[in-house]
Amino acid sequence: RKEVEQDPGPFNVPEGATVAFNCTYSNSASQSFFWYRQDCRKEPKLLMSVYSSGNEDGRFTAQLNRASQYISLLIRDSKLSDSATYLCVARPAGSYQLTFGKGTKLSVIP
Amino acid sequence: DAGVIQSPRHEVTEMGQEVTLRCKPISGHDYLFWYRQTMMRGLELLIYFNNNVPIDDSGMPEDRFSAKMPNASFSTLKIQPSEPRDSAVYFCASSFRPETQYFGPGTRLLVL
Repeated sequence: RKEVEQDPGPFNVPEGATVAFNCTYSNSASQSFFWYRQDCRKEPKLLMSVYSSGNEDGRFTAQLNRASQYISLLIRDSKLSDSATYLCVARPAGSYQLTFGKGTKLSVIP
Repeated sequence: DAGVIQSPRHEVTEMGQEVTLRCKPISGHDYLFWYRQTMMRGLELLIYFNNNVPIDDSGMPEDRFSAKMPNASFSTLKIQPSEPRDSAVYFCASSFRPETQYFGPGTRLLVL
């Protein structure tokens, strides 16, 4: 079983829609969590960190449920430019190693 | 800042040939990571360095793979001999903080 699991999608949504991605992790020692974004044929880039209390960055909201080992990303008012693959990432305490999920592909349609 | 630089950007080679991938991390970053990305397995960590010293190479698939970091501004990942199943995108990333790894543009490797 992969340490970080995501629904691969694709999610095809119209502009302006709200879309949510989910992710589960199996390593209970994981301490920090992130969402990275990867555009087609490009490198991954950090989108946002995920905090236990939940956090928001503009149209993006990330949440963490440690008891369920579950992470989510909510995108409101989707834009065409949001089309990308979203990678869920976990990091154990005291480590620089990141474990990536395989990603969820989002296509925002005009 | 130029970001992480990788070369070559594309490599096509024949099975059995040696392949050398190169990476220049962002200046001042003391961690360097090599990843491999495929459709089947996603993004996998191969090896990472701290202050030019290999810390964990447990992700290196087999002895055909080797990585070096002779100084703070240069690292190589070598595959010898290459096999078709090595075809993938190889990313180098660097960081100075755990949560933010900066990835290079990647090298697309095709082994025929």
